[in-house]
Amino acid sequence: ELKVEQNPLFLSMQEGKNYTIYCNYSTTSDRLYWYRQDPGKSLESLFVLLSNGAVKQEGRLMASLDTKARLSTLHITAAVHDLSATYFCAVVETSGSRLTFGEGTQLTVNP
Amino acid sequence: NAGVTQTPKFQVLKTGQSMTLQCAQDMNHEYMSWYRQDPGMGLRLIHYSVGAGITDQGEVPNGYNVSRSTTEDFPLRLLSAAPSQTSVYFCASSRGGGAGGYTFGSGTRLTVV
Repeated sequence: ELKVEQNPLFLSMQEGKNYTIYCNYSTTSDRLYWYRQDPGKSLESLFVLLSNGAVKQEGRLMASLDTKARLSTLHITAAVHDLSATYFCAVVETSGSRLTFGEGTQLTVNP
Repeated sequence: NAGVTQTPKFQVLKTGQSMTLQCAQDMNHEYMSWYRQDPGMGLRLIHYSVGAGITDQGEVPNGYNVSRSTTEDFPLRLLSAAPSQTSVYFCASSRGGGAGGYTFGSGTRLTVV
């Protein structure tokens, strides 16, 4: 059974600082997704990573995928308050179709 | 293009009542799924479907039924609601393989009293 683990689960940052959220998964996969969720809202797609070594960037967020290490990272550069949200990674096993989520990382960016 | 539409947005049920949560998508996606989200537990897969007429169980299927008679619709039925089913329910869909990502509906907040 596929397990997806994120860390940290809670992250409090100061504006302007950098940090990385980690997503580990337990079986082979070449499809990994990052989502953002604001309180009381649905999930917003941030990144779709479909191959080993994939790197995508949008604004202050950059995501990467290492399928050999079964690891994805979401790097935050020079955090701003608007990035405060919960971030989820989700994984689909190779040859599968089920999307399995990590527990989420609750990010708070303080002025 | 409405994407994934869930109805209702809010619902209160009494223990033992039944109801159906509706999910419809207009993107001709083969894959559809239902998740529940509880505080501190992320999203857990209830049931999913890879095409019309095909459904399968996810991580937490007990107490829920699904069917997929058309590509567009994937309703979730609660047979006899229990307080443990109080949660926020999300429907998601994707084109086969997920290369374009998974699109989520706005959610249904269900309270069982």
